[in-house]
Amino acid sequence: ETGVTQSPTHLIKTRGQQVTLRCSSQSGHNTVSWYQQALGQGPQFIFQYYREEENGRGNFPPRFSGLQFPNYSSELNVNALELDDSALYLCASSNRDRGNTEAFFGQGTRLTVV
Amino acid sequence: AQSVTQLGSHVSVSEGALVLLRCNYSSSVPPYLFWYVQYPNQGLQLLLKYTSAATLVKGINGFEAEFKKSETSFHLTKPSAHMSDAAEYFCAVSPQSGGSYIPTFGRGTSLIVHP
Repeated sequence: ETGVTQSPTHLIKTRGQQVTLRCSSQSGHNTVSWYQQALGQGPQFIFQYYREEENGRGNFPPRFSGLQFPNYSSELNVNALELDDSALYLCASSNRDRGNTEAFFGQGTRLTVV
Repeated sequence: AQSVTQLGSHVSVSEGALVLLRCNYSSSVPPYLFWYVQYPNQGLQLLLKYTSAATLVKGINGFEAEFKKSETSFHLTKPSAHMSDAAEYFCAVSPQSGGSYIPTFGRGTSLIVHP
């Protein structure tokens, strides 16, 4: 059973650019959630995808968007990057159909916007 | 609406001493409650969870937590701290109903263990 993997692990972008972060969910999981964790803070919910549909969204602007693919992997896209977007981005997978209350987290992608 | 408050951004203990990390929650519906640990430059790992079965929940690495509805608390304890317990700890709450599992996290408590 493979765990949740995220790529890349680190990324440096310039303000105004666009970025795509990737997440492979754990085998057997159909739900992926994305979180932003600023330095010294707890993770903040961005959105969740269930069976390729957005299933909930946190208080983030539309320039944060996502996709989930038929194999349940997922992408997080951020347009028009701002300095405050610098953070650790975490992906978590679970299986909503099994009433799975546990989400398994990846190692995260550290995004630095300069 | 749901939220958690973790009391104390930093907790410092000596190796071998009791660990107590405090978490109070607010939820308009019966909650699920979780404690996660995060080591530097790592993702989050689940320590334990409360899902309306036993109120005293035992987790990994010798940690346990007790759900107290009257106090809206879910404090994390460990009888004897080990150096390897030094990490960031997050309490999280999620509604039991609705099908979606979207936990809301606290700001975290950094556990410092002194030799």
